[in-house]
Amino acid sequence: KAGVTQTPRYLIKTRGQQVTLSCSPISGHRSVSWYQQTPGQGLQFLFEYFSETQRNKGNFPGRFSGRQFSNSRSEMNVSTLELGDSALYLCASSLEPGDPRETQYFGPGTRLLVL
Amino acid sequence: AQKITQTQPGMFVQEKEAVTLDCTYDTSDPSYGLFWYKQPSSGEMIFLIYQGSYDQQNATEGRYSLNFQKARKSANLVISASQLGDSAMYFCAMREPDSNYQLIWGAGTKLIIKP
Repeated sequence: KAGVTQTPRYLIKTRGQQVTLSCSPISGHRSVSWYQQTPGQGLQFLFEYFSETQRNKGNFPGRFSGRQFSNSRSEMNVSTLELGDSALYLCASSLEPGDPRETQYFGPGTRLLVL
Repeated sequence: AQKITQTQPGMFVQEKEAVTLDCTYDTSDPSYGLFWYKQPSSGEMIFLIYQGSYDQQNATEGRYSLNFQKARKSANLVISASQLGDSAMYFCAMREPDSNYQLIWGAGTKLIIKP
């Protein structure tokens, strides 16, 4: 079974631009979560989608948004990029949300550099 | 207060020795899940092992085992017979109802295996 895939793997943008990152979950997984990882802040939860609905949202500004499609694939968008948005963005999938026993499986991540 | 505490920022261990990575957690909910992930320099977050709060026995997965001490709220990862490929960041994480089941992460421990 194929793992979680993320595209693109690397991205360089300039301040003020916007970016869209894509995530395809493991087949059969319906829950997709996004995380931002930076050296200063560590791993921070962005949002979680299940059945095309945002189920949970972290403490990020409205410039960060996401969506999920009917095939469970998810995209996240960051508008008006700032230097501080430079980070590794990780996507994770699981079968169902709302269960402490559910393991999240991660993709390889997208490294975003904002200049 | 920190929900997940990893007190060892970095560790050096001789190849073939066993290593214990510390993790303490804080939750008032009786139902929660504890996870350990490995992150090599490539960036991908690799799931290692899971321990449920109601599990009577410590979890084991190959060379990985979890020393779960519920009363002390600790969930230390033990890697037996360490290998050079074990060099990576290791993260402890928790899912609990109070956090709407999103993964709460520790700061991580950087493990370096010396030949």
